[in-house]
Amino acid sequence: SQTIHQWPATLVQPVGSPLSLECTVEGTSNPNLYWYRQAAGRGLQLLFYSVGIGQISSEVPQNLSASRPQDRQFILSSKKLLLSDSGFYLCAWGNTDTQYFGPGTRLTVL
Amino acid sequence: GQQLNQSPQSMFIQEGEDVSMNCTSSSIFNTWLWYKQDPGEGPVLLIALYKAGELTSNGRLTAQFGITRKDSFLNISASIPSDVGIYFCAGPDVGGGSNYKLTFGKGTLLTVNP
Repeated sequence: SQTIHQWPATLVQPVGSPLSLECTVEGTSNPNLYWYRQAAGRGLQLLFYSVGIGQISSEVPQNLSASRPQDRQFILSSKKLLLSDSGFYLCAWGNTDTQYFGPGTRLTVL
Repeated sequence: GQQLNQSPQSMFIQEGEDVSMNCTSSSIFNTWLWYKQDPGEGPVLLIALYKAGELTSNGRLTAQFGITRKDSFLNISASIPSDVGIYFCAGPDVGGGSNYKLTFGKGTLLTVNP
């Protein structure tokens, strides 16, 4: 069966510091991978998606970036965090019909 | 792009009551998905619907793919406190090379009073 991992689970960072969130998937090959952000426990905002190694599509212009160095690894990064980057970050894997989410990372920028 | 209108935005019910929520769109969807998100966790897929008119159950949950392909309904029978959470409808984007993405509704926040 497939499993998806995210770490860290929670993170508190000062404004202007760098960020690296990691997502890995097990039990499937060549999955589509996604990063979402959820603010205030409501809507899901798609940030990036990837259909293969090194292939990244950005949905929202911002100070975040994503990379896919391996087939089942997806990384979300920032060089300098803003207060507005606080939120709940969700990684997901899927195909054309369905997506399956990881447990999420709660990021607080102070 | 496509949009999904999910209602109600929130519900506050007593334990044991039945719950009904729905999702509508101005465009046709070929698949309807229903997710539940427990507080502080990632959304979990509850039910997937692939055919217009399809009615699918998962325990106390029942979902239907509307015959027009523009709506879907989720019903929860005999609610219990662990039903608390946010319920999202979703469907895959169609056309325009964006078939790797899902469109999500804004969610229905369900609170169950014991």
